[in-house]
Amino acid sequence: DAGVIQSPRHEVTEMGQEVTLRCKPISGHDYLFWYRQTMMRGLELLIYFNNNVPIDDSGMPEDRFSAKMPNASFSTLKIQPSEPRDSAVYFCASSSKGRREQFFGPGTRLTVL
Amino acid sequence: AQTVTQSQPEMSVQEAETVTLSCTYDTSESDYYLFWYKQPPSRQMILVIRQEAYKQQNATENRFSVNFQKAAKSFSLKISDSQLGDAAMYFCAYRSAVVAGSQGNLIFGKGTKLSVKP
Repeated sequence: DAGVIQSPRHEVTEMGQEVTLRCKPISGHDYLFWYRQTMMRGLELLIYFNNNVPIDDSGMPEDRFSAKMPNASFSTLKIQPSEPRDSAVYFCASSSKGRREQFFGPGTRLTVL
Repeated sequence: AQTVTQSQPEMSVQEAETVTLSCTYDTSESDYYLFWYKQPPSRQMILVIRQEAYKQQNATENRFSVNFQKAAKSFSLKISDSQLGDAAMYFCAYRSAVVAGSQGNLIFGKGTKLSVKP
């Protein structure tokens, strides 16, 4: 089975530009999580969905960040406008109701210049 | 709010030896899950082992085992017969059981960087 797929793997952009990160969860999983990893703050939850509905977005830093899940097999995390402090590795993870663990994608390393 | 603490930023072990990574957590909940994830330089997050809080028996996965002390809120990872491929960041994580069958997000510690010397 294919794991969680994220694209792009690396993104370099300039301050003020719009950035869109993409995630395809494991087929059949009904939970999708977006995490951000930085040296200062470690791994932290941004938002998670259940059956395509956002359940907890309390970790979204500010209005510049938005996330959508239009269907069970696709989610996006958008940053507009991007700032240098958004530079981080963004992980997508998925899980299902009966499972204990979450399965992570390879992450997207975002660099905002 | 729940917190997870890993007090060892870095650890080192000789190949074939045993090493223990520490993790403590704080929660008022009685039902939860604990995990150890490994993050090699490729940055992929790989599940190493998990423990259900309601189980008294410590989880074991091949060379990896945990020492789960619920009363002390301690969850350490023991790696036996360390191999070069074990070199990575190791993260301890907590997840509330919330409602039976439901999900919640993971709360991570800051990580421990493990080096393996040949």
